[in-house]
Amino acid sequence: GIQVEQSPPDLILQEGANSTLRCNFSDSVNNLQWFHQNPWGQLINLFYIPSGTKQNGRLSATTVATERYSLLYISSSQTTDSGVYFCAVVGETSYDKVIFGPGTSLSVIP
Amino acid sequence: DAGVTQSPTHLIKTRGQQVTLRCSPKSGHDTVSWYQQALGQGPQFIFQYYEEEERQRGNFPDRFSGHQFPNYSSELNVNALLLGDSALYLCASSSGQEPNYGYTFGSGTRLTVV
Repeated sequence: GIQVEQSPPDLILQEGANSTLRCNFSDSVNNLQWFHQNPWGQLINLFYIPSGTKQNGRLSATTVATERYSLLYISSSQTTDSGVYFCAVVGETSYDKVIFGPGTSLSVIP
Repeated sequence: DAGVTQSPTHLIKTRGQQVTLRCSPKSGHDTVSWYQQALGQGPQFIFQYYEEEERQRGNFPDRFSGHQFPNYSSELNVNALLLGDSALYLCASSSGQEPNYGYTFGSGTRLTVV
């Protein structure tokens, strides 16, 4: 089945810094989402982005489907950005089965 | 507009017991998927229900079973609990008409098996 890798596994940032999180996937996808999991376990949908670029406030994401990767940009990070960021995909041959990457654990310190 | 609702939020069970977790999908969604998330790992797909039938299943034993009701709500049942079943169980809903539009997750049920 489709494999999803994320890098870096862990990231520590000073408040106000910028960062880029990467997601690589091994096969063509119909669906790609970025999620933020807060310390209480809630998964928050950040972007639905199977291709192209989207922006929402300090966050933006780009997916280059032909090269099988997606990037999540966080600018002017805040302590509330801390948590785990997951990339999740649905492969073209795995109808509706969402595969999660291992996640990037982000800690933003004051 | 209510999101995905899961109950209970926390649960402690003994090895060998059985447990039932419940999920109500977001309004307008008719498809429910269940995930198991062990500590420090990403969620793992258990199975998905659409039109009251199991449509897809991940690599989980038959001890894990489910059901979807006519109102689209769903239950996850786990029999003969093992210590390794301790995890956060997440429910996600989506639209069968727009399966690739995106998923909404509930807050999860944290199951501890002792």
